[in-house]
Parts: sequence; structure tokens; C-alpha cells
Amino acid sequence: KNEVEQSPQNLTAQEGEFITINCSYSVGISALHWLQQHPGGGIVSLFMLSSGKKKHGRLIATINIQEKHSSLHITASHPRDSAVYICAVRGENNNDMRFGAGTRLTVKP
Amino acid sequence: GAGVSQSPSNKVTEKGKDVELRCDPISGHTALYWYRQSLGQGLEFLIYFQGNSAPDKSGLPSDRFSAERTGGSVSTLTIQRTQQEDSAVYLCASSLAHRVSYEQYFGPGTRLTVT
Repeated sequence: KNEVEQSPQNLTAQEGEFITINCSYSVGISALHWLQQHPGGGIVSLFMLSSGKKKHGRLIATINIQEKHSSLHITASHPRDSAVYICAVRGENNNDMRFGAGTRLTVKP
Repeated sequence: GAGVSQSPSNKVTEKGKDVELRCDPISGHTALYWYRQSLGQGLEFLIYFQGNSAPDKSGLPSDRFSAERTGGSVSTLTIQRTQQEDSAVYLCASSLAHRVSYEQYFGPGTRLTVT
């Protein structure tokens, strides 16, 4: 079993829909990252959080440390949100990063 | 300002040859990370550098892989005697420091193909 599990693996939505991507992890962590990888391959860090909730524009990320679970929400989704979203956790020793397999999101106009 | 840059963007090499991949971090960033993304698989941590400290090599898949960081800035990832399973996109990232609170900025990657 992977230490970082994401769901769903693939997600197709209509423009304007509310999107939720989930991440569960089984190890102790010092921080959790949400990354966005565009079709061309470039990776952008969206959020880094160790507790609570963060919001940036239409994106919201939450984490529940006790339940070892994080969610990434996209409100009013748009075709330009189409990308692979990757959950990554940094271990308690703050050294290595472990990655989920990613969620491929396609938003149709 | 300039982001993280990597070169070459693409590299095709024959099995058994050595390759060097270069990463130029954002100026002033003391932490530098190397990751690998194999086709159809997720990202994999390889190695990180923090300032002049000895690197954490715990993620390197074999002793054919090594990395250096000269002058606390540019880094080179070297793969000796390349194998076909080394084919992947190699990504570099940098951050202000190796601390949980600092965001990592990713480069565009080097796509390595071993034939």
C-alpha cells in the first residue's frame, strides 16, 4: 500500500462545477504539499500546509492531522484548471518527500 | 525574477553511457532538491542539498547516481552507466531553505531517454 493515496485517479467535470480531490497518508508528516502539473510537464506548488485550511483564489486546501487526510477544493472550475494534481508529504524528519500518484482533472467547457 | 532552470531540456543517450544533468536554482535559495518522474509513475525524491551541508542521498536508487552542488548554487546530477529504467523526467526544485515553512519552486525538468 502506498504511503500517500489520492482519489480519484481521474476526474472529469463541467466548467463551473465544484471539485474535490482527496489525499490520505499513513506516515507522520511535518507538512503536506499540493502541486499542480500542467500538460506540458511544469510543476507549480499550490499549497503547503501543516494544519487547518488555506485559500488562494478559487483553490482551498484543508488538512486533518488526526485523520491523516487532506482535501483540495476548486470552486467554479474552469478548463484552464485541467492538470494533474499531486499530493506530497514531507516526513517528520523533514527530509524526504513522498508523493501520491496524482489526480488527472479535466474540466470541459 | 528568473525561476529554476535545468539543462538540457531533453537528452537521449545510449545504454551504458554516463549523463550529467544541470540545475540552476533561484538566486539566494539555499535548498535544492532532485526528483524523478518515470513514465506513468509518480514523482520520486532523489536527493537534497541544504547550504554547504552534506546532502541527504537517501532517495538515490543506486550507486550509479550521484549529485554535486558547487559553491552552494548550481547542481549536477550524474548517472553513470545508464540503464533503460533510468529513462524519466528529472526535476529540480529550490527553496529559500530546507525548512517546512518554505515553498519549493520547480524547474521545467530534463527528459532523459536511454536507448
